[in-house]
Amino acid sequence: QVQLVESGGGVVQPGRSLRLSCAASGFTFSSYGMHWVRQAPGKGLEWVAVIWYDGSNKYYADSVKGRFTISRDNSKNTLYLQMNSLRAEDTAVYYCARFGLQPTGGGKEAFDIWGQGTMVTVSS
Amino acid sequence: DIQMTQSPSSLSASVGDRVTITCRASQGISNSLAWYQQKPGKAPKLLLYAASRLESGVPSRFSGSGSGTDYTLTISSLQPEDFATYYCQQYYSTLFTFGGGTKVEIK
Repeated sequence: QVQLVESGGGVVQPGRSLRLSCAASGFTFSSYGMHWVRQAPGKGLEWVAVIWYDGSNKYYADSVKGRFTISRDNSKNTLYLQMNSLRAEDTAVYYCARFGLQPTGGGKEAFDIWGQGTMVTVSS
Repeated sequence: DIQMTQSPSSLSASVGDRVTITCRASQGISNSLAWYQQKPGKAPKLLLYAASRLESGVPSRFSGSGSGTDYTLTISSLQPEDFATYYCQQYYSTLFTFGGGTKVEIK
């Protein structure tokens, strides 16, 4: 079935790095833009980053620009988020999500598929 | 960046009530708006996109409307399974942004 499965979360000290992965299955991964969204404990959703279906464009929230890098490997159906210089305020559940609109124009203009999330805790 | 302001931040309602949640964008977003429902410990679930298009499998008691900068999510008759937090999201800009959320609680 169509699904996204995140991994790579954990506890990390401030200033250190962590890489999250999101494995996609059940759909043509290379046809969709992919996003990372995070949610700090007890807080709302915060959009983090997007990568175009072919990796040609990437955009970031101001809060992570210059520290986080989104990437993808379409041959492995996997999305990544490299997080450097981590801060306490980066502590959150990180979700990957598919933007349902395809380059051909079909599909849904929204995050139609979400992973279950992976927890990142930045603490000394 | 486009800012999304949701109101109210929380509300109490009874089963059967009509509930309305509003979302205001800091600039026009041409109906590039989605609504999500999130229950504790779960990933968000898509309800509507393009401001008013219902996601497959979502009950018809959910509806969306609006234009320009102002949008509304309406639940026509609140059901027990609808108690959750609701978020709007704009995708007009490449810097996607969410509203702050509306928690719908049982009165």
